[in-house]
Amino acid sequence: LAKTTQPISMDSYEGQEVNITCSHNNIATNDYITWYQQFPSQGPRFIIQGYKTKVTNEVASLFIPADRKSSTLSLPRVSLSDTAVYYCLVGDASGGSYIPTFGRGTSLIVHP
Amino acid sequence: DAGITQSPRHKVTETGTPVTLRCHQTENHRYMYWYRQDPGHGLRLIHYSYGVKDTDKGEVSDGYSVSRSKTEDFLLTLESATSSQTSVYFCAISESTAATYEQYFGPGTRLTVT
Repeated sequence: LAKTTQPISMDSYEGQEVNITCSHNNIATNDYITWYQQFPSQGPRFIIQGYKTKVTNEVASLFIPADRKSSTLSLPRVSLSDTAVYYCLVGDASGGSYIPTFGRGTSLIVHP
Repeated sequence: DAGITQSPRHKVTETGTPVTLRCHQTENHRYMYWYRQDPGHGLRLIHYSYGVKDTDKGEVSDGYSVSRSKTEDFLLTLESATSSQTSVYFCAISESTAATYEQYFGPGTRLTVT
């Protein structure tokens, strides 16, 4: 199973772009990269997923280089409400023995 | 929002007492999971279920048991609660374990063992 490494915490200010990078050096061919967001006192929720290159939705963008050994979640012009924990998961798209593993995530604090 | 409820939402209990937490879903998803969340440890998987009466252990299963007699309900039992089991417990569901299927989480249960 691919292991992920991401920073424990990050700080930013309102209006700035925030980039959170996740390392997954042993990612497998069938693996997809998924990011979840967790607000205080709530369960995590899915925000974005990708396999390669770039994916964008109304919440974030996900950049995946050609070697897929890392990925970067980009949050444009953050606001105070983006303060949350962000989790990077890497898992087999075919299922198999994959069970989602969340780890500690990255705690993002957005300051006024 | 996915139809997932957890009960109770808050509970305070004494060391040594049995505790059962309930997760109920209305989505008819096959997979259900119990996680605990503690400061400095993130989300850790306790047990999961891949169908009625089919369950398996996660990374922190000691001291916990689960049961799933119906598709919609997944129960987590602490046979004899300890202070180390004070935590926030989250239930999640998914249609598949395949990574392309997202997990949906319940609102959580805050358990305090005194």
